[in-house]
Amino acid sequence: DSGVTQTPKHLITATGQRVTLRCSPRSGDLSVYWYQQSLDQGLQFLIQYYNGEERAKGNILERFSAQQFPDLHSELNLSSLELGDSALYFCASSSSPPGGTQYFGPGTRLLVL
Amino acid sequence: AQSVTQLGSHVSVSEGALVLLRCNYSSSVPPYLFWYVQYPNQGLQLLLKYTSAATLVKGINGFEAEFKKSETSFHLTKPSAHMSDAAEYFCAVSSMDSNYQLIWGAGTKLIIKP
Repeated sequence: DSGVTQTPKHLITATGQRVTLRCSPRSGDLSVYWYQQSLDQGLQFLIQYYNGEERAKGNILERFSAQQFPDLHSELNLSSLELGDSALYFCASSSSPPGGTQYFGPGTRLLVL
Repeated sequence: AQSVTQLGSHVSVSEGALVLLRCNYSSSVPPYLFWYVQYPNQGLQLLLKYTSAATLVKGINGFEAEFKKSETSFHLTKPSAHMSDAAEYFCAVSSMDSNYQLIWGAGTKLIIKP
């Protein structure tokens, strides 16, 4: 158990809908990272927050957004969902960079029908 | 720019045989190097991490990796494979070059033959 929790574990929704994925980092970790893992594109970094502020952006679509709240939990919002958004979404957390090890949550499996 | 190359998307070994998963990286500054493992339907778990303290790094489950600067490699090994080692393994690098973001390899799926 990494100490990172993600809810929900599974999510099934329809195209065009909007969903919110939630992540609670390990106690004391200030950084939260979001990743998307799909069969065709592998593991893709989406976005990083550090102590409530956006720190880095990766391959995140404009339809996707995230935020980190004062209690350090984070939410990833996916809107206007398309079939191709079906994937595993991981959250990871780390203590202060640089070189901080990222600890991953169990992931949310999103299926868009 | 930094990059990570994992040679072989699939590696198959017999139970009890040596496991060798290859990882080469590019970085113009001293890197941090990581190996993560992902078991089916699970998240990624840290196996081991290189932080310049020692070139041979021992991790969990009997795995180890050796940092070779001259070869820009960080190959993962285990002397004797177990069926439970069947998983996907990811190599990653971070440094000042990437603003300490993890740059990931494509992953290698390890298959263990009985």
